[in-house]
Amino acid sequence: EVLLEESGGGLVRPGESLRLSCAVSGFTVSSNFMNWVRQTPGKGLEWVSVIYTDGSTYYADSVKGRFTISRDNSKNTLYLQMNSLRADDTAVYYCARDFSKGVLNAFDIWGQGTVVTVSS
Amino acid sequence: QSVLTQPPSASGTPGQRVTISCSGSSSNIGHNIVNWYQQLPGSAPKLLIYTTNQRPSGVPDRFSGSKSGTSASLAISGLQSDDEANYYCATWDDSLNGPVFGGGTKLTVL
Repeated sequence: EVLLEESGGGLVRPGESLRLSCAVSGFTVSSNFMNWVRQTPGKGLEWVSVIYTDGSTYYADSVKGRFTISRDNSKNTLYLQMNSLRADDTAVYYCARDFSKGVLNAFDIWGQGTVVTVSS
Repeated sequence: QSVLTQPPSASGTPGQRVTISCSGSSSNIGHNIVNWYQQLPGSAPKLLIYTTNQRPSGVPDRFSGSKSGTSASLAISGLQSDDEANYYCATWDDSLNGPVFGGGTKLTVL
């Protein structure tokens, strides 16, 4: 069964760090373009980051320099290291597969999401 | 606020046809394909339409997409109660160099 399962969310204070994980089942993380997308009630869905099959990484301007996407091929797991967290990073974070490998940016598999709350 | 503009709400009665619009610009919809996602309450988004008018396996042909210039539309025919959800358009933005989403449209089946 094809499945994405996020974990690692929680409540942190501004300036702190958090690492999200996305365990992948049913396909190989390294053979796919894997993304993080977040959702807030106020701003809706926002693309955060992508890691390509060749390991290249790209970020939204709002997180560039603070967030790092990576993967562990041996664990078939995607990660998002989030540093210097701010209140406006508060959101539900989803990992999602782009089945088109960047051609269409079409996300066909999504996890259930993990909640990140940044508050003092 | 979102790069792509959608009406915040739409509604229809069972069996009716409804359309949801998505307005963008020459840097996004004008030069790129559009995808649509359906998000049921309490669930993650689900890919509904890709490449403007293609349906993934399992999506009924009641759902269709189109694009003209810098706008796109999602049409739902034969509206059913379980179509009640939030719908999001998405595309690539050449200026932002990344995917962008609409603010979402909450569809209510009356």
